[in-house]
Amino acid sequence: AQSVTQLDSHVSVSEGTPVLLRCNYSSSYSPSLFWYVQHPNKGLQLLLKYTSAATLVKGINGFEAEFKKSETSFHLTKPSAHMSDAAEYFCVVTRYNQGGKLIFGQGTELSVKP
Amino acid sequence: DSGVTQTPKHLITATGQRVTLRCSPRSGDLSVYWYQQSLDQGLQFLIQYYNGEERAKGNILERFSAQQFPDLHSELNLSSLELGDSALYFCASSVGGGLGVQNPYNEQFFGPGTRLTVL
Repeated sequence: AQSVTQLDSHVSVSEGTPVLLRCNYSSSYSPSLFWYVQHPNKGLQLLLKYTSAATLVKGINGFEAEFKKSETSFHLTKPSAHMSDAAEYFCVVTRYNQGGKLIFGQGTELSVKP
Repeated sequence: DSGVTQTPKHLITATGQRVTLRCSPRSGDLSVYWYQQSLDQGLQFLIQYYNGEERAKGNILERFSAQQFPDLHSELNLSSLELGDSALYFCASSVGGGLGVQNPYNEQFFGPGTRLTVL
């Protein structure tokens, strides 16, 4: 079975300060992991994906995520928040090389204060 | 723009009615997935089609059905609608079935969604 837990439902940061969105996963199989972002009234955009080539994954718009197998975590970070980063972020797990559904976390709403 | 299109963008209807949501996958993608996003359930997988065949089923109600046509577009049919069916419905597509050398990580690309409001 697979599941994903996003540890914070809401995170608020000031513009220019670091962002940390936390995600823990559970998987009986080799996992594929993703972060998606959803801006208000928009669709889901892929931020980054874990490909097993490196534990530190770089994504779009300056976001990164680090895969830690021992901690079953895949936290999302950004060194300096921008107002345009305000959105809902979803951590996603699926089975590597097995196809099928994506399993979404409950989402973390990121607010960025000026 | 992911290349996945969905129509209509918004749909307002009454309880008991039936609606059809349409999705066109990215060019070359054979797999189509449907997801439902609601406030209480979050984002949940409904059903997957691969090259016209049903491949996987999730938490899809019996009142809901889907199909994928020879041109690979897909339709999600929702009938006997209830207030609780109000949600954002996303379609996603992927290369292959989300496995094999083409797409071992099961990367899926999402459309903009259809917002269904049942009054």
